[in-house]
This record gives sequence, C-alpha cells and structure tokens, in this order.
Amino acid sequence: DVKVTQSSRYLVKRTGEKVFLECVQDMDHENMFWYRQDPGLGLRLIYFSYDVKMKEKGDIPEGYSVSREKKERFSLILESASTNQTSMYLCASSLAGWNEQFFGPGTRLTVL
Amino acid sequence: AQKVTQAQTEISVVEKEDVTLDCVYETRDTTYYLFWYKQPPSGELVFLIRRNSFDEQNEISGRYSWNFQKSTSSFNFTITASQVVDSAVYFCALSEWGSQGNLIFGKGTKLSVKP
Repeated sequence: DVKVTQSSRYLVKRTGEKVFLECVQDMDHENMFWYRQDPGLGLRLIYFSYDVKMKEKGDIPEGYSVSREKKERFSLILESASTNQTSMYLCASSLAGWNEQFFGPGTRLTVL
Repeated sequence: AQKVTQAQTEISVVEKEDVTLDCVYETRDTTYYLFWYKQPPSGELVFLIRRNSFDEQNEISGRYSWNFQKSTSSFNFTITASQVVDSAVYFCALSEWGSQGNLIFGKGTKLSVKP
C-alpha cells in the first residue's frame, strides 16, 4: 500500500515564525503535491513537483515555498507565518501523469 | 477554464436510503480524467475511482456506482443502501491532459447517514 506521511498532525506557531511541513512517500512516486483545505473553499493547490529539484506553482503559491531534494520528500515552507495561513495542509503523491493521487493524513496548522 | 461544481453542500439521509451525489465539470480539453475521493471524519482523503474521458461506461463497485455522461458534463456518484460508515465529505475532481496530473477539486458534498 502507498503510504504518505506528514510530520505533524497538529501544529501551533506564532506570526512571523518560519514553518516547515514535511511530507514523505514510500512508493517511488514522481509527482508530489501540497494543498490547503479551508471550509467552503475545498482543496486548493499550493505547489507541486514532478521531479527532484523541480517545482511548479499551483493556484495559491503566495507566502509559500517548497523544496524537493530527494524523490520521496517534499517540504512546504512558510517563510513568515501569518494568521491567514491557519488551515489544514494536505500532501499527496502520484506515480506519474494522471494516476490517482494518494493523500497523507494532513497537518492542521494554527498560526497565532 | 476548468471547473468542477458540486451543487449539494450537505445531504442527510437515513440508513438504507439510496443517495446520489452530483458532479458537473467544465473543460475545453477532449482528454481528461475524473475522480471521486472520500474524506471521512479522520481527515485523510481516500481515492474511490478514476475515469478517463473516452470511457463512458458506468462503473459499479459494491454499493457504489458512478454515472459518467459527457453530453451533460456530469459524473455522478450513487451509494445504494447507505450505511452510517458512508458519512463523509465526498469530492469530485478533474485533471486535464496538459496539467501534469494536477487535480481541480469541487468544494465537496458532506453526506450524513443517520441510523
């Protein structure tokens, strides 16, 4: 079974802090994705990566950056956390192209 | 532009009732994929089905069935004889040929199945 793990289920940070959210997949998938999920807005794509060291902006990249130094790991970085970044963050991976995405359990981030 | 609409925000049914979740999509591509995901209260999205645009055959998997109609740009999901464990938020999603597999999600339908 594909396993996508995220470093924390719950995280509380203060405004202005630098925040790292880590995601690891164990099935040698090419593609990895970061979404945020907010009530009434559904899932929105922040960034994605289709290869090591490659990254592409999604629909809402502002205030975020990513890093993919190894194929299995995709990190989401909030350079200076703000309260409007309080959200559920979901990581996903897929084999390639249009295969189904497999999701991690999510990280609920609260920025105070 | 691509778009997925799930008009039903919340649905509540009593156990053993049948329920259909609607999904309407917009795309200019002739090649695309449609998906359904389930998000139970635990939070993790679970993949249910993927359909490509060239395969309009309906799919049945146990109590779940999907009706794909290109003529109406719809990909509806029916649960037969619903159970309490079906309570979840269900998302429909679209991936276009040129998108490198990116998913455009609908806003989800929250299904509550009461005993």
